Amino acid sequence: QVQLVQSGAEVKKPGASVKVSCKTSGYTFTNYGVSWVRQAPGQGLEWMGWISGYNGDTNYAQKLQDRVTLTTDTSTSTAYMELRSLRSDDTAVYYCARDTMMDVWGKGTTVTVSS
Amino acid sequence: EIVLTQSPDTLSLSPGERATLSCRASQSVSSGSLAWYQHKRGQAPRLLIYGASSRATGIPDRFSGSGSGTDFTLTISRLEPEDSAVYYCQQYDTSPQTFGQGTKVEIK
Repeated sequence: QVQLVQSGAEVKKPGASVKVSCKTSGYTFTNYGVSWVRQAPGQGLEWMGWISGYNGDTNYAQKLQDRVTLTTDTSTSTAYMELRSLRSDDTAVYYCARDTMMDVWGKGTTVTVSS
Repeated sequence: EIVLTQSPDTLSLSPGERATLSCRASQSVSSGSLAWYQHKRGQAPRLLIYGASSRATGIPDRFSGSGSGTDFTLTISRLEPEDSAVYYCQQYDTSPQTFGQGTKVEIK
């Protein structure tokens, strides 16, 4: 069955970077993209960006595009989200999901930014 | 960007009642590229409806979606206790994709 397995929780200091992985299985990775969504405590869902599993094309949310980079490793069917210059308001649960329609989701990775 | 506004913010209903959730877009969402998600605390969101009206795999038929252009609706025909969650609409027609702010459904 289709699965997206995310890396474990992270605690980072302000100004640091974090890289979250999303290992996929059960489907042909290059036939779909991967979306990234986050949810800060008490807030709604925020779309961060999308990357093509076929050719690595990306779309980013404008407010994050200077600090976020999405990449893929097709040899391991894994997508990555790196967020730099972390701030306290980046504390959130980060999700990966299959493609733009997000029909299958990872369980989420909690990133805590605290001094 | 397309702004999605959901209403109401909170809906409190009894089991067996009908829930009607609204999602209004700031500009037309073409090709019906609108989805609905159910999000329970501590879990990943779950796709319910895509293409405005198509149910995702395994979704009970008490969930239905309708609408086009700028006005969309999610209907839960007979509420069950496990339907307690926050429901989000999302447009994937135009980048950046955007979500509504969510409607919380409480079961009395």
